[in-house]
Amino acid sequence: GNSVTQMEGPVTLSEEAFLTINCTYTATGYPSLFWYVQYPGEGLQLLLKATKADDKGSNKGFEATYRKETTSFHLEKGSVQVSDSAVYFCALSVSFGGNTPLVFGKGTRLSVIA
Amino acid sequence: DSGVTQTPKHLITATGQRVTLRCSPRSGDLSVYWYQQSLDQGLQFLIQYYNGEERAKGNILERFSAQQFPDLHSELNLSSLELGDSALYFCASSVGSGAGLYEQYFGPGTRLTVT
Repeated sequence: GNSVTQMEGPVTLSEEAFLTINCTYTATGYPSLFWYVQYPGEGLQLLLKATKADDKGSNKGFEATYRKETTSFHLEKGSVQVSDSAVYFCALSVSFGGNTPLVFGKGTRLSVIA
Repeated sequence: DSGVTQTPKHLITATGQRVTLRCSPRSGDLSVYWYQQSLDQGLQFLIQYYNGEERAKGNILERFSAQQFPDLHSELNLSSLELGDSALYFCASSVGSGAGLYEQYFGPGTRLTVT
């Protein structure tokens, strides 16, 4: 079946530190990959996406590269800010794009301290 | 603001009761998805509708049902509620269904507490 495994949190970093949140997946077919972010008390927002191997998604300083050979889509940011504190979800869709149901990882809570 | 609205924001009810959660998709979106977020199960897909028809089904209990109306809003009905149904229920919408480049936009969620 289709599944997503991401590193367990919580992750606590100081402001301006480097962030990596690991995400690996198992999928039948050729999935599209996503990172969503959930700020306290809010719904999920799409952070970035990639639809084919070696694609790099990027947004707001966050990046993730679709690695088919390692079935991974790790999230990185060079310098985190307090405002990045949130829960981050890795997800896949087994179609090209996001028009089919998403399969989510369990989420990683990030806390950034000043 | 994603453009997806959900009502109510919070719902507290007793075991054995029935509730209805409502979702209005973004203007122009034909697909609606329902997800359940709980501490033990994480975020799980429940059901998808596209232009009024059921398109995909996930881990949705038989006590739960949904529908999408001609104006494209959707309702999720939860009956014979149990304590374990307490969760955050999200609705998402997208333009189409199947292959495509359209992302899903999520609403703010309805927090259901069953006592």
